[in-house]
This record gives sequence, C-alpha cells and structure tokens, in this order.
Amino acid sequence: DAGITQSPRYKITETGRQVTLMCHQTWSHSYMFWYRQDLGHGLRLIYYSAAADITDKGEVPDGYVVSRSKTENFPLTLESATRSQTSVYFCASSRRGGGGTGDLSQYFGPGTRLLVL
Amino acid sequence: DAKTTQPPSMDCAEGRAANLPCNHSTISGNEYVYWYRQIHSQGPQYIIHGLKNNETNEMASLIITEDRKSSTLILPHATLRDTAVYYCIGLGGSARQLTFGSGTQLTVLP
Repeated sequence: DAGITQSPRYKITETGRQVTLMCHQTWSHSYMFWYRQDLGHGLRLIYYSAAADITDKGEVPDGYVVSRSKTENFPLTLESATRSQTSVYFCASSRRGGGGTGDLSQYFGPGTRLLVL
Repeated sequence: DAKTTQPPSMDCAEGRAANLPCNHSTISGNEYVYWYRQIHSQGPQYIIHGLKNNETNEMASLIITEDRKSSTLILPHATLRDTAVYYCIGLGGSARQLTFGSGTQLTVLP
C-alpha cells in the first residue's frame, strides 16, 4: 500500500534551472494538489487538478507549471527556478474536492525539500 | 470560508487526554470542520472531520457545539508521538480549498 509518494525527497538546484517534482498516488483519487510550506506562511496551495487533463491555479501559481496526463501522476515544474522558490513542497490527493459535501479529506505525501542556490 | 482561531500552543501530560479547542464562528451551514496535524518535517496528516454531530475514529474524537461556532478535538490518551501542530480547517460548501492557519503546537510531556 504505497499511498502517495514524492520524488526526489531532497533537491538542490541553481537559479534559472528547470526542476520537476514528481507526485504519484495509488488510490485512483480524482483530485490532486500541490502545496508549498515556508516559515511564517504555513501551507499555500500552488495548483490543483480535479481529474486527468483538468488543472487550476491555487493561491501562489506564478513560476510553476503542472500537467496531469494520468490520474495517478501530478508533476510540478519550476520552469526557471528562483531563490524565492526554496521551500518544502507537498503533494496531496483526495477522492473528492472543490467544495460541496461529503468526504473531502486530503492525504499528503512526505514532501520534497528544494533548495535553490 | 470559515476563519478559525486556535491557541498557539498547549501542553499535555503523556497518557492524559489532550483537548484542543477551535473557534469557527463564521462557519457556514454546509461547511465541515476538518482537523489535520503535522508532525515535524512530515506531511500533514488527516485526523477527523464532522458537520454537526460528534465524531469518533481510531485517532480522535471531535465534539462540535450545537451552534457550530466551536469544536474540540480530543486525543484520549496522548503519547509523545502526538506532539505536532494541529490545524482546524473549514472545508466544504463554498470553502473549496484547505486553508491552513497557524494551528496549535501540542507538546506531550513525559
């Protein structure tokens, strides 16, 4: 029962480089999310996806690109990394989302710690 | 979205019940109360959620007041591994996204 995994767990890169963070879930959850966590800001939503090929912006999407060609994968790409993108990135998934009623519980991966020099 | 208010920190003795309060006076009628926790350096972990009835699962109990303006998360027998930041969040209805506030740092003392 792998659940939700993220790779790499740690990444060091340089300003201007492209970086892709991977997220994979084995539950066939429809919804997937990317958050970043910085000291003093808590968790902030970057992008989310309601299903394959459906994505939408969250609170802090600038500088990030996402895609979702398969239900189980939701990669996050930093097209040209900046120092301000140094953070811990968490991926999450849920069966349902977008408000409404019912169980909207999200399940989080272990995180990727990214350092941009 | 409901704005939630939690105490910044609490201590609890190991083996005793930990009662974590949350005020959510602006919660709307179809918005659920969700509780998550984050143990240091790990991803947030879902604990429990409820609408208006009290709820219990293998991790915790959730008591929601009748007017739904506040709730209490109860960890019945706290252990050292329960030391974490606990977040109370309104979700559902028009609240479409998890919004994490500052939470409560619970420290379980030996």
